[in-house]
Amino acid sequence: ETGVTQTPRHLVMGMTNKKSLKCEQHLGHNAMYWYKQSAKKPLELMFVYSLEERVENNSVPSRFSPECPNSSHLFLHLHTLQPEDSALYLCASSQVPGNAGANVLTFGAGSRLTVL
Amino acid sequence: RKEVEQDPGPFNVPEGATVAFNCTYSNSASQSFFWYRQDCRKEPKLLMSVYSSGNEDGRFTAQLNRASQYISLLIRDSKLSDSATYLCVVRRSGGYQKVTFGTGTKLQVIP
Repeated sequence: ETGVTQTPRHLVMGMTNKKSLKCEQHLGHNAMYWYKQSAKKPLELMFVYSLEERVENNSVPSRFSPECPNSSHLFLHLHTLQPEDSALYLCASSQVPGNAGANVLTFGAGSRLTVL
Repeated sequence: RKEVEQDPGPFNVPEGATVAFNCTYSNSASQSFFWYRQDCRKEPKLLMSVYSSGNEDGRFTAQLNRASQYISLLIRDSKLSDSATYLCVVRRSGGYQKVTFGTGTKLQVIP
């Protein structure tokens, strides 16, 4: 069982729905990430939180809204998504840069999203 | 040119074979290099870091060639369980956003 847990594992939603993806890490890390993985494409970094503060937002559309209430939890709120947003959404965690192990990302199992 | 490029494969090899993958990167400021493994419909997991002098972990050997800007992964005595997609990951100095993933090379080990 990975130290990073994501729920739900699968989600089907309509374009007008509002849903949220949840991520929880039990590794004592203090940086958390959302990545998007689409077929035939490399992982795309969406958001990074370090010590609960957003430090990176890679030009992600506003229909994706992250939330990090504490260093162990990360959410991705979804609203009025498009069919092209269908993908595997991966959460990851690491130590912050400068700390040992900062280079290593530990991923959750992912939430597979289908937008109808 | 993509920042990190990999041959997508698939590489179909018989059990016991030796197989090698290369990955090229375009940014000479890249500092850290990794191979991740991703099984079908699973999350990526760190396989090994790649050090300047090259490093080995059991049947797996990683090499870095800074002059030619590529890294390689060699798998000896392939097992059926090695079937997966191998992701090349390159990190530049700086913040969190400087990590770039390749699209992965798919390996299928055949009985």
